[in-house]
Amino acid sequence: DAGITQSPRHKVTETGTPVTLRCHQTENHRYMYWYRQDPGHGLRLIHYSYGVKDTDKGEVSDGYSVSRSKTEDFLLTLESATSSQTSVYFCAISESFQGLETQYFGPGTRLLVL
Amino acid sequence: ILNVEQSPQSLHVQEGDSTNFTCSFPSSNFYALHWYRWETAKSPEALFVMTLNGDEKKKGRISATLNTKEGYSYLYIKGSQPEDSATYLCALPSYNNNDMRFGAGTRLTVKP
Repeated sequence: DAGITQSPRHKVTETGTPVTLRCHQTENHRYMYWYRQDPGHGLRLIHYSYGVKDTDKGEVSDGYSVSRSKTEDFLLTLESATSSQTSVYFCAISESFQGLETQYFGPGTRLLVL
Repeated sequence: ILNVEQSPQSLHVQEGDSTNFTCSFPSSNFYALHWYRWETAKSPEALFVMTLNGDEKKKGRISATLNTKEGYSYLYIKGSQPEDSATYLCALPSYNNNDMRFGAGTRLTVKP
């Protein structure tokens, strides 16, 4: 599992409330990613980080912000949750695989916005 | 925008059948193609990473081929087993090997 944990694993919240999801890794990986997974769309990149305080937007970044104040933690924040943000959120890191970098995923966080 | 298409969307086969499915992508600016296996209630797991035209990778009964000139990769499963039931994802890095674009996946169900 590449030493990745996500918290919480499940969350129910109401529209308009702020939500923060945490990704924690123990193996000093430089790159970390947040994806959301929705039926018919596969995985879509929200934001990623290439080091402490270094982040960049992905394909579906609107409505989300991230922070990385230390190597091991990458936080995803929904400032004001909407029902369209109901999804399963996966954190990932990059690690060498078959001579190239590929991504390893955490267990996921199921978020329901009512 | 990098569009990654997978077909079919879902597939039902009998145990022992061999099967294959497709990942299609723009052939320009190709860098690498990743295949993942994603079981229900688990996280996606890397199967193969392929970079060269004509590449063929194999892991047990699963193999993959790559044609970068025409923009497709095939994933083959020989003698499918119920434990092969999963969603198979392909993904390509968009431009800097960090913005990974995933296809929607092929959901395989193998009936005993």
